[in-house]
Amino acid sequence: KQEVTQIPAALSVPEGENLVLNCSFTDSAIYNLQWFRQDPGKGLTSLLLIQSSQREQTSGRLNASLDKSSGRSTLYIAASQPGDSATYLCAAPTSGGYNKLIFGAGTRLAVHP
Amino acid sequence: EAGVTQSPTHLIKTRGQQATLRCSPISGHTSVYWYQQALGLGLQFLLWYDEGEERNRGNFPPRFSGRQFPNYSSELNVNALELEDSALYLCASSLIGGSEKLFFGSGTQLSVL
Repeated sequence: KQEVTQIPAALSVPEGENLVLNCSFTDSAIYNLQWFRQDPGKGLTSLLLIQSSQREQTSGRLNASLDKSSGRSTLYIAASQPGDSATYLCAAPTSGGYNKLIFGAGTRLAVHP
Repeated sequence: EAGVTQSPTHLIKTRGQQATLRCSPISGHTSVYWYQQALGLGLQFLLWYDEGEERNRGNFPPRFSGRQFPNYSSELNVNALELEDSALYLCASSLIGGSEKLFFGSGTQLSVL
């Protein structure tokens, strides 16, 4: 049974800092892992999708890595800005279920000026 | 290009009533997913529809049901509403079922009084 854990639960940093958000999963037989952003009371915005054959994906100031053997993924945010304040969620497919994503509880990020 | 659209944005019902939530996927997407995000419980997978068929279901009672129409839009029905059904209901779509990015709508906030 897939379980997804995110650490830390909350993070408050000054603007400009480089950040690392962590995600761990129990079933390493995944074919991809996704990172999402959620603003309060809103839906999810897809940030990055890493296929199992890839080690990392980059989009702008965001970089996500995937290490299946250790059951870990990290989301790196460079030069954080107040507009990055949101909850960041990672999601991995459940065992044998292509489209049944299991979400972590998220990391609530606050970037202050 | 329009994203995933959900209606209504907010829905207020009383215990025992029925609620109907609607979702239109991104044009060209055939798979539609429903997730529930209740306070303190995180995102829980509800249903997956593809090509008009229910393909997978989460651990929810049968009073949660839905369907997908020939134009790939979808409806989620919740019968005999209970107080704990109060949550943000999120719809997502993907190009095909499988290892594709999920795109989420803004959600329907259901409040059961």
